[in-house]
Amino acid sequence: EVQLVESGGGLVQPGGSLRLTCAASGFTFSDHFMDWVRQAPGEGLEWIGRIRNKGDSYSTEYAASVKGRFTISRDDSQNSLYLQMSSLKAEDTAVYYCIRRDNNGYLNYWGQGTLVTVSS
Amino acid sequence: DIQVTQSPFFLSASVGDRVTITCRASQVIGTSLAWYQQKPGKAPKLLIYAASTLQSGAPSRFSGSGSGTEFTLTISSLQPEDFATYFCQQLSTYPLTFGGGTKVEIK
Repeated sequence: EVQLVESGGGLVQPGGSLRLTCAASGFTFSDHFMDWVRQAPGEGLEWIGRIRNKGDSYSTEYAASVKGRFTISRDDSQNSLYLQMSSLKAEDTAVYYCIRRDNNGYLNYWGQGTLVTVSS
Repeated sequence: DIQVTQSPFFLSASVGDRVTITCRASQVIGTSLAWYQQKPGKAPKLLIYAASTLQSGAPSRFSGSGSGTEFTLTISSLQPEDFATYFCQQLSTYPLTFGGGTKVEIK
């Protein structure tokens, strides 16, 4: 069974940093591109970014709203995906989801999400 | 960026009703569109991909159609478990963008 479990969320002050981790199991993690999507409280979904697999040089894509502040990385030996967030703003407050991209290109498996709150 | 405009924002319907939700992309995206269902406090679930392909395990009362810039999600006969929020997403061009969502509530 595919499982994605996010952790590392919490309360952080504006301007601060936080690293989220997504622990993957039940599939060959190294084969898949992985995405992050976030959802502000009561709002819609916002795609944050993607990291490809080793075959695609672990290349990344980011939304403009987080580019330069957020970094997506992965450790295939640990079956883990990371989201390093810095220079956090109040508008980064959201539930952050880790997602596995299927071979058909679509986002099929989602974690349960972890809440990040940016507030003083 | 490709803007995805979803309508309506809110929909009130009864069990058994046929329901249609529309997404319009600001540029041609072929059939690179997905539909998701989200219930309160839960992660979204993929319902339809490639505009019209039913995801394994999704009920057959859900269907998707469209290509280019206009897409629809249809629920042929609304069931109690279908009351939720629905989102579309274009996967043609980065950044991948979502529609604003449609909340389907009980009339």
